[in-house]
Amino acid sequence: EIVLTQSPDFQSVTPKEKVTITCRASQSIGSNLHWYQQKPDQSPKLLIKYASQSISGVPSRFSGSGSGTDFTLTINSPEAEDAATYHCHQSSSLPFTFGPGTKVDIK
Amino acid sequence: EVQLLESGGGLVQPGGSLRLSCAASGLAFNIYAMNWVRQVPGKGLEWVSAISGSGDSTYYADSVKGRFTISRDNSKNTLYLQMNSLRAEDTALYYCATGSSSWYTTYFYWGQGTLVTVSS
Repeated sequence: EIVLTQSPDFQSVTPKEKVTITCRASQSIGSNLHWYQQKPDQSPKLLIKYASQSISGVPSRFSGSGSGTDFTLTINSPEAEDAATYHCHQSSSLPFTFGPGTKVDIK
Repeated sequence: EVQLLESGGGLVQPGGSLRLSCAASGLAFNIYAMNWVRQVPGKGLEWVSAISGSGDSTYYADSVKGRFTISRDNSKNTLYLQMNSLRAEDTALYYCATGSSSWYTTYFYWGQGTLVTVSS
């Protein structure tokens, strides 16, 4: 099973700062890594697919990078509405797995 | 608009059974591989099971293998999860999710979830 680890567990930033979340896979998964945003009492929402591909309707301040085992989700100039938990997910091999999540607070 | 609507959750005693349903609309259901993903409230997401569009192929997480059965009825655009021998650690919000005809895909679409509580 591929284990995904995320760091940090929690990040608190001002709108002038940048949010950077990393996701590390226990073995190479190519670009088969996806990012979701989840707000309280809501279902996950897809933000970035295949490491760096944007999703229609998702603000351009969200971007992803990486391949192999190391991946990054970046939120430039975050807004108050970006306060949420962010999850990474690998679809490279069964069983599919998710990271533990990173909670982001916007001050 | 794609909609996935789960139902069937509830309170069940340890060792009991429950069947979850996920009614799909707005997509060619018989083409899409479907998944169940669960989440203990306040915790991370855990993939549970997947089924091919035709229903011929299924996969399970080790944590539920032998106890849960995924199935689908393409004539009713509905996905199911039969859960037997339930344990306290199965308590979670269960989502159905999908993205394409392939297993190896991202999940564009999620339901709102149905809560399963296993407790005496």
